[in-house]
Amino acid sequence: EVRLVESGGGLVQPGGSLRLSCAASGFTFRSYAMNWVRQAPGKGLEWLSTINGSGGGTNYADSVKGRFTISRDNSENTLYVQMSSLRVEDTAIYYCAKTMSTRFWDDAFDIWGQGTVVTVSS
Amino acid sequence: EIVLTQSPATLSLSPGERATLSCRASQSVSRYLAWYQQKPGQAPRLLIYDASNRATGIPARFSGSGSGTDFTLTISSLEPEDFAVYYCQQRSNWPPITFGQGTRLEIK
Repeated sequence: EVRLVESGGGLVQPGGSLRLSCAASGFTFRSYAMNWVRQAPGKGLEWLSTINGSGGGTNYADSVKGRFTISRDNSENTLYVQMSSLRVEDTAIYYCAKTMSTRFWDDAFDIWGQGTVVTVSS
Repeated sequence: EIVLTQSPATLSLSPGERATLSCRASQSVSRYLAWYQQKPGQAPRLLIYDASNRATGIPARFSGSGSGTDFTLTISSLEPEDFAVYYCQQRSNWPPITFGQGTRLEIK
């Protein structure tokens, strides 16, 4: 079974840092680009970042560029996002999502984790 | 940045009826458009990719059409489990990848 499981969410103060993890199983992790998407309370979906299969290519939304760093460990089948300088508006459910095809690293997202909640508050 | 505008914001229909959801892009995205379904407390689920291709395991009552700037998701006959929020997403000319604001499909 293809599965993604996020962890690492929690309560953090403004200006703080947090690292989220996404454990992947059931597919050849290194062959697929991976993504982080978030959803603020009661709001829609916001793409944050994509990393290609090798980890050598990354892209970010302007809202997190310079504050968030996406990475992956293909030996551990795990995706990460290091979040720093956190703001109240970063409060959201954070999802990792698998890119559908091995050919393109910007394809649709066919598998999603259940999400992990990040709350930024003093 | 390509902006996706979904309409209507809320659609009220009864089971068995046909649902037509729209997604309009601020510039052409060719056919690089996907549709997702999200139920309360759940992660999004991919329904349609590349405008008209059903994802694995998606029932045939879901269909997508369109190209360029105008896209449609059609649910031919609504089942009770179809009432949810639907998002479109584009991957043309990225970053950024962008989502529409969503259409809430509710039971009338």
